Amino acid sequence: GQQLNQSPQSMFIQEGEDVSMNCTSSSIFNTWLWYKQDPGEGPVLLIALYKAGELTSNGRLTAQFGITRKDSFLNISASIPSDVGIYFCAGRASGGGADGLTFGKGTHLIIQP
Amino acid sequence: SAVISQKPSRDICQRGTSLTIQCQVDSQVTMMFWYRQQPGQSLTLIATANQGSEATYESGFVIDKFPISRPNLTFSTLTVSNMSPEDSSIYLCSVAARETQYFGPGTRLLVL
Repeated sequence: GQQLNQSPQSMFIQEGEDVSMNCTSSSIFNTWLWYKQDPGEGPVLLIALYKAGELTSNGRLTAQFGITRKDSFLNISASIPSDVGIYFCAGRASGGGADGLTFGKGTHLIIQP
Repeated sequence: SAVISQKPSRDICQRGTSLTIQCQVDSQVTMMFWYRQQPGQSLTLIATANQGSEATYESGFVIDKFPISRPNLTFSTLTVSNMSPEDSSIYLCSVAARETQYFGPGTRLLVL
């Protein structure tokens, strides 16, 4: 089946630093989604990407759908304490939401004061 | 976005028993999914809940262990049957809407 490699597994950064994480796939995806999960909560959608090359921002977050359709990255600028959490990439090979998502293993973001 | 609620939010169960988790969505959706998130792990798709027909299970998951109902376009249940400690996980309901996917808050299950 499809596999997603998400890196880094964890990040220890200082408040105010920029953050970058990425996902690569063994197969082509038509949709890339980025989620954040806080402790005790379900994943919350941050950014959705639907076209190769698409670059989308949501506040301090920016994500891109790789041109090869096998990768995506998420950047967070000027990190703040509430950015702490686990970030998951997820992809779907088919369009229209007909299939469930394949998830990366997550990036644990820890911000040191 | 779709608003999804799950009940119960958490439970502690004895091995050998079964637990049914409910998922309610605030709007009609075509696609509903059930995921499992084991402690410290990522999300794994259990099955797609199909309205009016049997659920579609992913490899490694079977109907006898995880029976699913989908009586209408806003509601689904997942039962974890004959539980063992290895079933201790977060179980998440998810819906597809406008080519993206939203998640409920999850049900935290601990099996003793």
